[in-house]
Amino acid sequence: DQQVKQNSPSLSVQEGRISILNCDYTNSMFDYFLWYKKYPAEGPTFLISISSIKDKNEDGRFTVFLNKSAKHLSLHIVPSQPGDSAVYFCAANSPLTGANSKLTFGKGITLSVRP
Amino acid sequence: GAGVSQSPSNKVTEKGKDVELRCDPISGHTALYWYRQSLGQGLEFLIYFQGNSAPDKSGLPSDRFSAERTGGSVSTLTIQRTQQEDSAVYLCASSQGQGRDTQYFGPGTRLTVL
Repeated sequence: DQQVKQNSPSLSVQEGRISILNCDYTNSMFDYFLWYKKYPAEGPTFLISISSIKDKNEDGRFTVFLNKSAKHLSLHIVPSQPGDSAVYFCAANSPLTGANSKLTFGKGITLSVRP
Repeated sequence: GAGVSQSPSNKVTEKGKDVELRCDPISGHTALYWYRQSLGQGLEFLIYFQGNSAPDKSGLPSDRFSAERTGGSVSTLTIQRTQQEDSAVYLCASSQGQGRDTQYFGPGTRLTVL
């Protein structure tokens, strides 16, 4: 039972264009969402997060949008750069876990940015 | 400062053997998590430590899996009588343990069970 879904396994964009990575979730108790980026042979690194009290959070070239009614979030990268080529994981957390911030992850999207 | 380290980076074992995977969290981080990523899947939560205690072991897939943490630092994940379906990348993460502090991941241990 996938509670966090990243339905597109891969995305290819031209350098300088916008990358839009999508994520859907089914658990209505999730109230905190994160994006992690992973290069081969490395662990995931935190990229950006958003609380359910917001619908947008921006950090430099990265913006995350949250649509609670649709249980959907998206990560926008603009402009995309070749160094952004990596696997991007969407993750979520529920307040029910208290201090245990265990994360529920999607399967990841492989982003390729073409020079 | 040093990040989360894990050893070994790769482990190949035969079915039925026991394996131990080690995680050294960031110094001072009280929370420690183990996840695993099987081929084509997302990261799957296994166990959470706060200090040396494990209040949430709900993700451990069977009683062949166990983990401990000593001195509030190093953690060891042990898999007994390994099976082929245990093949995965095992990732450890640590955080300061305050609410939703960022989890910092190690590079993982790739376990292959032949």
